Amino acid sequence: RKEVEQDPGPFNVPEGATVAFNCTYSNSASQSFFWYRQDCRKEPKLLMSVYSSGNEDGRFTAQLNRASQYISLLIRDSKLSDSATYLCVVNYNNNDMRFGAGTRLTVKP
Amino acid sequence: NAGVTQTPKFRILKIGQSMTLQCTQDMNHNYMYWYRQDPGMGLKLIYYSVGAGITDKGEVPNGYNVSRSTTEDFPLRLELAAPSQTSVYFCASSQKPTAQHFGDGTRLSIL
Repeated sequence: RKEVEQDPGPFNVPEGATVAFNCTYSNSASQSFFWYRQDCRKEPKLLMSVYSSGNEDGRFTAQLNRASQYISLLIRDSKLSDSATYLCVVNYNNNDMRFGAGTRLTVKP
Repeated sequence: NAGVTQTPKFRILKIGQSMTLQCTQDMNHNYMYWYRQDPGMGLKLIYYSVGAGITDKGEVPNGYNVSRSTTEDFPLRLELAAPSQTSVYFCASSQKPTAQHFGDGTRLSIL
C-alpha cells in the first residue's frame, strides 16, 4: 500500500457543483494532515490543514477519519478558479511529509 | 516578502556533470525540505533538515547530497547527473513540521 493514495481523477465538474476528494494513508501513527493545491507548472500552496474534529474554510471542508485512515476535501459551489490539482499530504514520521500524487479538478462554465 | 527563493529556475546538464541547486529562506524557519516532482506525479522527499547542522534522508536520497550550515540556506548537490534525475525540484521551509512554504521550483533536464 502506498503511503498516501489519491484518486488521480480528472474530475470535470460544472460551475456551482459540489465535489469531494478522498485520500488514504498507510501509517496509523500519522499526526499531521494537509491539503495543498497546485496550479499547472507552479509550486504547491497550502489550502488548509486537517484537524481531528474536521474544519471548514469558506467553501472548503476537510475531514479526518483516523479509524479508516483517510482524509477528505469537499468543495462547495465550485468556481472556475478552483481548477487545479489537489494534493493530500500526511506526515510519515515526525518530520517526513509524504505527498499523494494529486487529484486533478477542472471546473467548466 | 521573498519567502523561499530557489536558483536557478531552469538548467540543462549533461550526463555526469555536477551542480548545486540553491535554496534560501528569509522567514527564520527551522525546517527545510527538498522534493522532486516527476510529470504527473506527487512530490517525493529527497532530504530534509530540522535545523542548522542537521540533515536527514527522505524517501529518495540516492544521487543527492545536502548541507545546512546556516538557518537560511539549504543547497542540494547532484554529483553525477543521470537522466533519471530530470525533474522539477522544489525547496520548502516551515517553522515546525507542519504547513510548508514552497519556492518556485527548479526545472532540471539531464541529457
